[in-house]
Amino acid sequence: EAQVTQNPRYLITVTGKKLTVTCSQNMNHEYMSWYRQDPGLGLRQIYYSMNVEVTDKGDVPEGYKVSRKEKRNFPLILESPSPNQTSLYFCASSFGGTARTDTQYFGPGTRLTVL
Amino acid sequence: GENVEQHPSTLSVQEGDSAVIKCTYSDSASNYFPWYKQELGKGPQLIIDIRSNVGEKKDQRIAVTLNKTAKHFSLHITETQPEDSAVYFCAASSSGANSKLTFGKGITLSVRP
Repeated sequence: EAQVTQNPRYLITVTGKKLTVTCSQNMNHEYMSWYRQDPGLGLRQIYYSMNVEVTDKGDVPEGYKVSRKEKRNFPLILESPSPNQTSLYFCASSFGGTARTDTQYFGPGTRLTVL
Repeated sequence: GENVEQHPSTLSVQEGDSAVIKCTYSDSASNYFPWYKQELGKGPQLIIDIRSNVGEKKDQRIAVTLNKTAKHFSLHITETQPEDSAVYFCAASSSGANSKLTFGKGITLSVRP
């Protein structure tokens, strides 16, 4: 089944404790992206990647890191999480590497709480 | 950059009625306008999209209209059903190398049985 998977689905952590949220897609998509969803703010892009070893900042990149060493995986790293990073996170992928007119396939989401 | 606004933020309709959700965008270079539906506990999923070379597109009970002059586009759902209850996001994008898909803030549609 074609899908985007994220792990963990739920995470409660404490301020300053490094964490990684994994994202994997099995559709051979070139483009991958991370979003955060907050009430009243909609979906905001954190980072995106147009291909292996190519990543760039989205609208709200502060406090996050990403890497794209393999085409299928795009982990989101929070080196020192803070309470304002409490949010619902989505990974997404799409076929095209540069055109932003392809269908984006979203993962099921990761609900992160930082105490 | 692009700014996409959705209104209203919440919408409640009676089952069987029609629902219309409107979005406006700011960048005249935008040429791709998708709509995503997010059901409770799930990620958003594309339900319909429209490109700037057409004014309307239909898929069963769902249609999208685009007015490029006024820079707004709308989602129309006819004969609404309880399973249409969800959060709906509109988005806009251009196809240039440095373009990005910008989402609206989302609207919560409730269909009353």
